[in-house]
Amino acid sequence: QVQLVQSGAEVKKPGASVKVSCKASGYNFNTHAINWVRQAPGQGLEWMGWISGYNGNTNYAQKFQGRLTMTTDTSTTTAYMELRSLRSDDTAVYYCARLLRGTFDYWGQGTLVTVSS
Amino acid sequence: EIVLTQFPGTLSLSPGERATLSCRASQSVSSSYLAWYQQKPGQAPRLLIHGASTRATGIPDRFSGSGSGTDFTLTISRLEPEDFAVYYCHQYGGSPWTFGQGTKVEIK
Repeated sequence: QVQLVQSGAEVKKPGASVKVSCKASGYNFNTHAINWVRQAPGQGLEWMGWISGYNGNTNYAQKFQGRLTMTTDTSTTTAYMELRSLRSDDTAVYYCARLLRGTFDYWGQGTLVTVSS
Repeated sequence: EIVLTQFPGTLSLSPGERATLSCRASQSVSSSYLAWYQQKPGQAPRLLIHGASTRATGIPDRFSGSGSGTDFTLTISRLEPEDFAVYYCHQYGGSPWTFGQGTKVEIK
């Protein structure tokens, strides 16, 4: 069965960087992009961008341009999301999700990133 | 950016009742690239509907989606206890992809 398993919670200071991993299994990693979506405490969902599992092409929401890098390691079928220059309003649960025809059909369990001095 | 506005913000209903959730887009959503997700506390969202009206795999037929252009609706024909949750609409026809702010369906 399709599974996306994310790395554990992180606590970071303002200005630092965080890198979250998403290990995919149960399907051909090359055939689907991985998206990243975040959710601030008590708030709604915010799409951050996607990365192709086939060729590593990326598409980031403009809001995150310059601070966000998504990568993949096809040998381990793992996607990574790195966010730099963290601020307190980056505190959120970060989800990876598999892309299917523009929608997100399978999700990771989420990774809480807390930014606090 | 396409802004999605969901209403009502909260819907208070009893099990067995019909729920009607609305999602309005600030501009037309191309090719009905509109999806609905359900999220329960502490869980990741779950895909319910894509293409405005197509149920995702394994979704019960009490969930249905309709609409086009700028106005979309999610209907739950008879609420089951497990349906009380927050529901989000999502458009993937224009960049950036965006979500509505959510409608909470709570037990009356």
